[in-house]
Amino acid sequence: AQRVTQPEKLLSVFKGAPVELKCNYSYSGSPELFWYVQYSRQRLQLLLRHISRESIKGFTADLNKGETSFHLKKPFAQEEDSAMYYCALGSNAGNMLTFGGGTRLMVKP
Amino acid sequence: NAGVMQNPRHLVRRRGQEARLRCSPMKGHSHVYWYRQLPEEGLKFMVYLQKENIIDESGMPKERFSAEFPKEGPSILRIQQVVRGDSAAYFCASSLNPGLLTDTQYFGPGTRLTVL
Repeated sequence: AQRVTQPEKLLSVFKGAPVELKCNYSYSGSPELFWYVQYSRQRLQLLLRHISRESIKGFTADLNKGETSFHLKKPFAQEEDSAMYYCALGSNAGNMLTFGGGTRLMVKP
Repeated sequence: NAGVMQNPRHLVRRRGQEARLRCSPMKGHSHVYWYRQLPEEGLKFMVYLQKENIIDESGMPKERFSAEFPKEGPSILRIQQVVRGDSAAYFCASSLNPGLLTDTQYFGPGTRLTVL
């Protein structure tokens, strides 16, 4: 069975501090992993996917198959990064996403 | 492109009534997904539809819930005889081609259902 765990419901940091949002997954096949973000009063949107290996808004995430993790990192948090972040796992066919419970990131001035 | 549209945004029903949630996918998208988010939880997959076909309904409750995506018009998620436990946010997403690794699910704003 697919499962995604985000152990922190809330993460609070000061502006300029490094950020790491944790995500662990359980999946028997080859995983497709995503980070989605939901800013206040906006809809859920894709932030990045592991297959792209890109940095979006300063965020990166590396898939670690040994640790079954896909943590989201940013070296210097900005106030506009405050949002709900969801880690998601795609099925083999890519048509079903399994979401973690989400982490609310608060970046304080 | 207005993106994925959902209506209504808020829906209040009394126990035993029916709830109909609508989703219009992005222009050109023929793949639609419904997710449910209970309070304090993440989104949970319910059903995946392609035009006129249900492809995967493994996340749908066996009773009272149904979904359709007709040839013309929006996708409909229907909940019959609603109970308080159905109160949740229901999100719809659409995508262009799930067979591609670069395919992206685009989400609507959600419908918040409250059952009194």
